[in-house]
Formats: sequence, structure tokens, C-alpha cells
Amino acid sequence: DAKTTQPTSMDCAEGRAANLPCNHSTISGNEYVYWYRQIHSQGPQYIIHGLKNNETNEMASLIITEDRKSSTLILPHATLRDTAVYYCIVSPTNFGNEKLTFGTGTRLTIIP
Amino acid sequence: DTAVSQTPKYLVTQMGNDKSIKCEQNLGHDTMYWYKQDSKKFLKIMFSYNNKELIINETVPNRFSPKSPDKAHLNLHINSLELGDSAVYFCASSRSRDSYEQYFGPGTRLTVT
Repeated sequence: DAKTTQPTSMDCAEGRAANLPCNHSTISGNEYVYWYRQIHSQGPQYIIHGLKNNETNEMASLIITEDRKSSTLILPHATLRDTAVYYCIVSPTNFGNEKLTFGTGTRLTIIP
Repeated sequence: DTAVSQTPKYLVTQMGNDKSIKCEQNLGHDTMYWYKQDSKKFLKIMFSYNNKELIINETVPNRFSPKSPDKAHLNLHINSLELGDSAVYFCASSRSRDSYEQYFGPGTRLTVT
């Protein structure tokens, strides 16, 4: 049972920032927010995760609201290879993600 | 240098048959997983092994039996295949059961006719 809500689909122009929202209003204090993506016909790929602070890595930035009830994944300069289904996942434990529960995700299409 | 590999990539078989899917990771990870992605694209965990020990066994029919001969390998054997077993099966691994990042294999598309 995914504890997150995401838009079913989004489009973004190539070269622009893609902002993918996620609602997780029932998140517990020790639960992390993880983002994975699945490019067509491939296995899921880890992107980023966070607890309450904003995080950035070479792939993306994660902005978590102060009340932690929602977050936004930002791909700063989207390319065609970023077309994929993006999953926002709330981990049931702060000791890892051994039980990742994937929801339906957001299908992001990058438009040339 | 494939990190997590699965064989075969495609598997077509008839109902009632027994089949196996193999998974190997060359990352030196301690923890491995099997996931199932059905036709509606829902991805659900089936099993997890840590250092060859079963740590997660979700509600999966006992026709499915994972086997971990060593921590680099996690195979999935399926007995008496049914139509509903048709899906894409993904293997994954992580450095430890506490790791936040799981590395997924390319998937095995199983079609039961």
C-alpha cells in the first residue's frame, strides 16, 4: 500500500526544469522519502532520498516541505533520456528500504 | 560490467511447467531481492535475502521458492506455472539491508501460455 500520491503524467520541455510533486500527508517522523525512476523496459533506478532537509546530488534535487507532508523532485535540465516513470516512495523504516513499496508513479515525458 | 544481471531476459512457457530465473550481482552487496511487476505495472517485493538468509517473504504462493547459494546469487524457482504468473520479474541488490539504494537488474519477462 503506497502511502504517496503523485500525478499520473506530466510533460516537460527539453532543457527546462522538471518539477515532480508528491504528496505524503501521512508520513511518520522516522520515514524517509525516496525517489526512483523506471525507464521503459528497464529496472528501476535510485535517484535520491531525504528525511527532512533538502537534498541534492548529481541527478536531481529533493525539496521536502517543512511539515514533511509533500515533496518535489527537481530535474534541473531535463533531457530526452529523463523520460520515465518516477516513483515517490515513503520508507516504512529509517533503517533502510528493504520493503520498497512502489505506487503508480508519474509518467514524465520530455518534449523535444 | 553489468552490476545486476538476470537470465533469461525472456521466458515463454506453458501452464504447469517449472522454471527458474537466475540473478547475479557483482557489486559485493549483502542483500538481494526479487520483485514482480504485473501487467498494470505495479511493482511489488516478493523476497529479500541478507547474506543468504531469508529476511522478507511477502504473501507469495509457495510455488515460488527463492534460493541463494551464495550472497552474489539469488535464484527464483517457480513450480506449476499459472497464467497469472505472467509478469516481469526484477532482481535487485543493496549494500546491506540498511542501504537506501537498491540496484535493479534488467528484468525477466515471463509469459505463461
